[in-house]
Amino acid sequence: KQEVTQIPAALSVPEGENLVLNCSFTDSAIYNLQWFRQDPGKGLTSLLLIQSSQREQTSGRLNASLDKSSGRSTLYIAASQPGDSATYLCAVDSGYALNFGKGTSLLVTP
Amino acid sequence: DTGVSQDPRHKITKRGQNVTFRCDPISEHNRLYWYRQTLGQGPEFLTYFQNEAQLEKSRLLSDRFSAERPKGSFSTLEIQRTEQGDSAMYLCASSLGHTGETEAFFGQGTRLTVV
Repeated sequence: KQEVTQIPAALSVPEGENLVLNCSFTDSAIYNLQWFRQDPGKGLTSLLLIQSSQREQTSGRLNASLDKSSGRSTLYIAASQPGDSATYLCAVDSGYALNFGKGTSLLVTP
Repeated sequence: DTGVSQDPRHKITKRGQNVTFRCDPISEHNRLYWYRQTLGQGPEFLTYFQNEAQLEKSRLLSDRFSAERPKGSFSTLEIQRTEQGDSAMYLCASSLGHTGETEAFFGQGTRLTVV
């Protein structure tokens, strides 16, 4: 069974800092990995999708990397802003469904 | 198209009552998924449809739960004889083709509270 772990569980940084969120998974036989953002009480917003054959994807201030062989992904957020405060979820595709980690709760303080 | 739509957004029900949720996926998406999320946890897979066919069901989906997707368009998730442990956010997602090929897009969820 695919297990997805996200570290840290919570993170607080001052505005303007660059930060890294970590995701690890136990089974390297994945189709893709997706990063999502979730605001309190809301649904999930897709941020980045990395196919298994890719090493990284970028969107604006976000960069996600994937090392399938070691079972790791990182989400890099540059020049963080208070509006980035949310929970960030990592999910890996196990064939017919996404397996999620518990998320990293990010707070960016002004 | 405004994305995946779920109705209602919130539902409070008494234990033992039946509830039904609706999901309208992105119109051209052939795959539709249901997930459940409890506080502090990531979403957990419940079931998915390819067009109108229900292809996978999680062991989390007890016999009190039933999902349908008539005509391969919208989907409903019904919970019979609700229990307090059913209180959670129920999320619907859709994708075009296999999730390995394209992004999954989620709705805003239905928050169920069983009292």
